[in-house]
Amino acid sequence: EVQLVESGGGLVQPGGSLRLSCAASGFIFSSYWMHWVRQTPGKGLVWVSHINSDGSTTNYADSVKGRFTVSRDNTKNTLYLQMNGLRAEDTAVYYCARATFEGDFDHWGQGTLVTVSS
Amino acid sequence: EIVMTQSPATLSLSPGERATLSCRASQSVGRNVAWYQQKRGQAPRLLIYRASNTATGIPARFSGSGSGTEFTLTISSLQSEDFVVYYCQQYNNWPPHTFGQGTKLEIK
Repeated sequence: EVQLVESGGGLVQPGGSLRLSCAASGFIFSSYWMHWVRQTPGKGLVWVSHINSDGSTTNYADSVKGRFTVSRDNTKNTLYLQMNGLRAEDTAVYYCARATFEGDFDHWGQGTLVTVSS
Repeated sequence: EIVMTQSPATLSLSPGERATLSCRASQSVGRNVAWYQQKRGQAPRLLIYRASNTATGIPARFSGSGSGTEFTLTISSLQSEDFVVYYCQQYNNWPPHTFGQGTKLEIK
C-alpha cells in the first residue's frame, strides 16, 4: 500500500524556518517525481514545488522561489521541503504528492499544518 | 501561467440527481487534466486523469470528458458522500501545475 506521511509542521514566527518531511513507503520512491502542494485553510489547492526522481531537477512557484528548497533522499525514501524566510501568507496545510508517469497526482499525504504568526 | 476556471463555485443538487461540473483552461492543455475530490479534513483524492480515465477504485458513477480548453466531470447519480469539493488540475504546461478554485457540491 502506498503511504505518504508528512511531518515537521508547526508554529513559526515571520522570518523563521521550518523543514517539512514526507516519508514514503509501499512503492519504489526513487522512480517517481514528487510534489508539494499547499492549501490555505478554507481555500483551494496551490502547487508549490516539484522534484524529479533523482533529485537533479526542481521547480518552484513564483511565490516561494528563492525561499523554499525541495530535496529528496532516495536512500531514506523521504522528500523534504526547507522553508526559509517564512511569511504569514505561507500559512497553510502542506501536502506531499506522488506524480504518475502521466503527470497527475495519484497519492497524497495527510498534510501538515504550517502556521506563520508572531 | 495557465488559469483553470471552475464553474459553478457551488452546485446545489439532490441525492440521485446528475451533477455536471465544468473546468475551463485559459489556453489549450490537450487532455492533460485531472479531477480530484476533497472531503472535509482530508487530502485530495484522484478521481480522473488524462481528462477521461477513471482512477483505481473510483466508482463508475464518476466520469470525465473534454479536451483543449473545456472539461467536464459528471457524477451520474449523486450519493450522500459525493457532496464535497472537487478540483480540476492541468499538467500540460508547467511549472506551475495549476488547479481550479474548486466546486462545492451541496445538498439541495
